[in-house]
Amino acid sequence: IQLTQSPSTLSASIGDRVTITCRASQSISKWLGWYQRKPGQAPKLLIYDASILENGVPSRFSGSGSGTEFTLTISSLQPDDFASYYCQQYNDYVPPLTFGPGTKVEIK
Amino acid sequence: EVQLVESGGGLVQPGRSLRLSCAASGFSFDDYGMHWVRQLPGKGLEWVSGITWNSDRMGYADSVKGRFTISRDNAKNSLYLQMDSLRPEDTALYYCVKDRGSVLGVVTSWGQGTLVTVSS
Repeated sequence: IQLTQSPSTLSASIGDRVTITCRASQSISKWLGWYQRKPGQAPKLLIYDASILENGVPSRFSGSGSGTEFTLTISSLQPDDFASYYCQQYNDYVPPLTFGPGTKVEIK
Repeated sequence: EVQLVESGGGLVQPGRSLRLSCAASGFSFDDYGMHWVRQLPGKGLEWVSGITWNSDRMGYADSVKGRFTISRDNAKNSLYLQMDSLRPEDTALYYCVKDRGSVLGVVTSWGQGTLVTVSS
Protein backbone atom coordinates (compact mmCIF):
# COMPACT_ATOMS: atom_id res chain seq x y z
CA ILE A 1 0.00 0.00 0.00
CA GLN A 2 1.49 3.32 -1.11
CA LEU A 3 0.81 6.63 0.56
CA THR A 4 1.00 10.08 -1.01
CA GLN A 5 0.85 13.38 0.82
CA SER A 6 -0.08 16.83 -0.40
CA PRO A 7 1.27 19.37 -0.41
CA SER A 8 4.92 18.42 -0.03
CA THR A 9 5.63 21.87 1.41
CA LEU A 10 3.23 24.35 2.91
CA SER A 11 3.93 27.98 3.86
CA ALA A 12 1.65 29.36 6.54
CA SER A 13 1.41 32.04 9.20
CA ILE A 14 0.74 31.87 12.92
CA GLY A 15 -2.97 31.45 13.49
CA ASP A 16 -3.66 29.92 10.07
CA ARG A 17 -5.80 26.84 9.64
CA VAL A 18 -3.65 24.20 7.98
CA THR A 19 -4.77 21.02 6.25
CA ILE A 20 -2.56 18.19 5.03
CA THR A 21 -3.90 15.33 2.94
CA CYS A 22 -2.75 11.72 2.85
CA ARG A 23 -4.03 9.32 0.19
CA ALA A 24 -3.67 5.55 0.19
CA SER A 25 -3.39 3.41 -2.93
CA GLN A 26 -6.13 1.13 -1.59
CA SER A 27 -8.64 1.25 1.20
CA ILE A 28 -7.14 1.08 4.68
CA SER A 29 -10.37 1.74 6.59
CA LYS A 30 -9.37 3.85 9.60
CA TRP A 31 -5.87 2.44 10.04
CA LEU A 32 -3.84 5.61 9.68
CA GLY A 33 -1.63 7.60 11.99
CA TRP A 34 -0.05 11.05 11.84
CA TYR A 35 3.33 12.10 13.20
CA GLN A 36 5.14 15.39 13.71
CA ARG A 37 8.88 15.52 13.28
CA LYS A 38 11.22 18.38 14.09
CA PRO A 39 14.88 18.52 12.97
CA GLY A 40 17.11 16.36 15.14
CA GLN A 41 14.18 14.82 16.99
CA ALA A 42 12.28 11.56 16.78
CA PRO A 43 8.83 11.59 15.22
CA LYS A 44 6.00 12.23 17.67
CA LEU A 45 2.69 10.41 17.34
CA LEU A 46 -0.18 12.87 17.04
CA ILE A 47 -3.17 10.82 15.88
CA TYR A 48 -3.99 7.15 15.41
CA ASP A 49 -6.96 5.28 13.97
CA ALA A 50 -7.38 8.30 11.68
CA SER A 51 -9.00 10.56 14.26
CA ILE A 52 -8.00 9.66 17.81
CA LEU A 53 -5.76 12.21 19.48
CA GLU A 54 -2.77 10.70 21.28
CA ASN A 55 -2.50 11.58 24.97
CA GLY A 56 -0.95 14.99 25.55
CA VAL A 57 -1.36 16.26 22.00
CA PRO A 58 -2.96 19.72 21.80
CA SER A 59 -6.57 19.80 20.69
CA ARG A 60 -5.77 22.12 17.78
CA PHE A 61 -4.67 18.96 15.98
CA SER A 62 -7.38 16.80 14.47
CA GLY A 63 -7.60 13.98 11.98
CA SER A 64 -10.36 12.76 9.73
CA GLY A 65 -11.04 10.44 6.85
CA SER A 66 -11.41 6.78 6.04
CA GLY A 67 -10.82 4.45 3.16
CA THR A 68 -8.26 6.11 0.94
CA GLU A 69 -8.35 9.80 1.85
CA PHE A 70 -7.33 11.32 5.16
CA THR A 71 -6.60 14.80 6.48
CA LEU A 72 -4.63 16.27 9.33
CA THR A 73 -5.85 19.70 10.38
CA ILE A 74 -4.17 22.23 12.64
CA SER A 75 -6.92 24.66 13.58
CA SER A 76 -4.68 27.57 14.54
CA LEU A 77 -1.00 27.22 13.69
CA GLN A 78 1.36 27.90 16.59
CA PRO A 79 5.13 28.59 16.51
CA ASP A 80 5.80 25.10 17.86
CA ASP A 81 3.98 23.52 14.91
CA PHE A 82 6.53 24.36 12.23
CA ALA A 83 7.79 20.88 11.44
CA SER A 84 7.38 18.00 9.04
CA TYR A 85 4.30 15.79 9.20
CA TYR A 86 4.09 12.15 8.13
CA CYS A 87 1.19 9.79 7.74
CA GLN A 88 1.58 6.05 8.29
CA GLN A 89 -0.74 3.19 7.41
CA TYR A 90 -1.08 -0.06 9.33
CA ASN A 91 -3.95 -1.66 7.45
CA ASP A 92 -5.78 -3.88 9.92
CA TYR A 93 -2.47 -4.40 11.72
CA VAL A 94 -1.21 -6.56 8.85
CA PRO A 95 2.27 -5.75 7.58
CA PRO A 96 3.87 -4.27 5.65
CA LEU A 97 3.39 -0.83 7.13
CA THR A 98 4.11 2.31 5.13
CA PHE A 99 5.01 5.91 5.81
CA GLY A 100 4.01 8.77 3.58
CA PRO A 101 6.72 11.01 2.05
CA GLY A 102 6.05 13.88 4.45
CA THR A 103 4.79 17.47 4.37
CA LYS A 104 6.97 20.31 5.58
CA VAL A 105 5.15 23.22 7.22
CA GLU A 106 7.20 26.39 6.89
CA ILE A 107 6.82 29.93 8.16
CA LYS A 108 5.31 32.24 5.57
CA GLU B 1 11.24 6.42 30.77
CA VAL B 2 11.37 4.38 27.59
CA GLN B 3 14.90 3.86 26.32
CA LEU B 4 15.87 2.15 23.10
CA VAL B 5 19.56 1.83 22.33
CA GLU B 6 20.64 0.51 18.96
CA SER B 7 24.01 -1.00 18.17
CA GLY B 8 25.70 -2.98 15.44
CA GLY B 9 25.81 -0.47 12.63
CA GLY B 10 28.91 0.28 10.60
CA LEU B 11 30.58 0.16 7.21
CA VAL B 12 30.08 -3.08 5.30
CA GLN B 13 30.77 -4.20 1.74
CA PRO B 14 27.91 -5.04 -0.63
CA GLY B 15 26.78 -8.62 -0.30
CA ARG B 16 27.95 -8.94 3.30
CA SER B 17 25.91 -9.21 6.48
CA LEU B 18 25.33 -7.15 9.57
CA ARG B 19 23.26 -7.72 12.72
CA LEU B 20 21.63 -4.82 14.49
CA SER B 21 20.62 -5.02 18.13
CA CYS B 22 18.34 -2.89 20.25
CA ALA B 23 18.40 -2.89 24.04
CA ALA B 24 15.09 -1.80 25.53
CA SER B 25 14.35 -0.52 29.00
CA GLY B 26 11.81 1.52 30.91
CA PHE B 27 8.77 -0.49 29.85
CA SER B 28 7.44 -4.04 29.77
CA PHE B 29 9.20 -5.11 26.59
CA ASP B 30 7.20 -8.32 26.18
CA ASP B 31 3.92 -6.39 26.06
CA TYR B 32 4.73 -4.45 22.90
CA GLY B 33 5.26 -4.91 19.23
CA MET B 34 8.57 -3.61 17.93
CA HIS B 35 9.82 -2.28 14.61
CA TRP B 36 12.85 -1.25 12.65
CA VAL B 37 12.44 1.95 10.65
CA ARG B 38 15.15 3.51 8.52
CA GLN B 39 15.88 6.92 7.11
CA LEU B 40 17.82 6.96 3.87
CA PRO B 41 20.18 9.91 3.32
CA GLY B 42 18.17 13.01 2.51
CA LYS B 43 14.95 11.03 2.38
CA GLY B 44 11.94 10.36 4.54
CA LEU B 45 11.08 7.42 6.77
CA GLU B 46 10.87 3.84 5.53
CA TRP B 47 9.36 1.08 7.63
CA VAL B 48 11.66 -1.93 7.39
CA SER B 49 10.27 -4.67 9.60
CA GLY B 50 8.08 -5.36 12.61
CA ILE B 51 7.41 -8.13 15.10
CA THR B 52 4.50 -8.67 17.47
CA TRP B 53 4.92 -9.01 21.20
CA ASN B 54 5.12 -12.81 21.14
CA SER B 55 6.79 -13.15 17.73
CA ASP B 56 3.72 -14.77 16.19
CA ARG B 57 3.71 -12.28 13.33
CA MET B 58 6.58 -10.61 11.54
CA GLY B 59 6.51 -8.38 8.51
CA TYR B 60 8.96 -6.88 6.07
CA ALA B 61 9.06 -4.13 3.50
CA ASP B 62 9.23 -5.46 -0.04
CA SER B 63 12.66 -3.85 -0.41
CA VAL B 64 14.18 -6.12 2.27
CA LYS B 65 12.00 -9.23 2.15
CA GLY B 66 14.10 -12.37 1.85
CA ARG B 67 17.28 -10.56 2.95
CA PHE B 68 16.46 -9.23 6.42
CA THR B 69 15.20 -11.18 9.44
CA ILE B 70 13.71 -9.63 12.54
CA SER B 71 13.72 -11.38 15.91
CA ARG B 72 13.37 -10.59 19.58
CA ASP B 73 14.38 -12.06 22.91
CA ASN B 74 11.88 -11.03 25.55
CA ALA B 75 14.03 -12.50 28.33
CA LYS B 76 16.80 -10.11 27.33
CA ASN B 77 14.55 -7.14 26.43
CA SER B 78 16.21 -7.09 23.05
CA LEU B 79 15.26 -6.68 19.40
CA TYR B 80 17.42 -7.75 16.49
CA LEU B 81 17.67 -7.28 12.74
CA GLN B 82 19.81 -9.70 10.76
CA MET B 83 20.67 -8.06 7.47
CA ASP B 84 22.08 -10.29 4.74
CA SER B 85 23.01 -9.63 1.13
CA LEU B 86 23.34 -5.95 1.87
CA ARG B 87 23.10 -3.46 -1.00
CA PRO B 88 24.28 0.14 -1.32
CA GLU B 89 20.62 1.23 -1.23
CA ASP B 90 20.36 -0.18 2.31
CA THR B 91 22.62 2.64 3.50
CA ALA B 92 20.57 4.46 6.11
CA LEU B 93 20.11 5.36 9.74
CA TYR B 94 18.25 2.46 11.33
CA TYR B 95 15.91 3.15 14.25
CA CYS B 96 14.56 0.71 16.80
CA VAL B 97 10.94 1.71 17.43
CA LYS B 98 8.32 0.70 19.99
CA ASP B 99 4.73 0.12 18.95
CA ARG B 100 1.84 1.73 20.77
CA GLY B 101 0.39 -1.73 21.38
CA SER B 102 1.21 -5.40 21.24
CA VAL B 103 0.85 -5.87 17.52
CA LEU B 104 1.98 -3.81 14.51
CA GLY B 105 0.37 -0.39 14.34
CA VAL B 106 1.41 3.14 15.17
CA VAL B 107 4.63 3.76 17.06
CA THR B 108 5.40 5.89 20.07
CA SER B 109 9.09 5.70 20.98
CA TRP B 110 12.26 5.78 18.94
CA GLY B 111 15.92 5.10 19.60
CA GLN B 112 18.69 7.41 18.44
CA GLY B 113 19.51 5.20 15.49
CA THR B 114 22.53 3.30 14.24
CA LEU B 115 24.13 4.12 10.91
CA VAL B 116 24.61 1.42 8.32
CA THR B 117 26.78 2.23 5.32
CA VAL B 118 27.03 -0.29 2.51
CA SER B 119 29.92 0.52 0.23
CA SER B 120 32.95 -1.10 -1.35
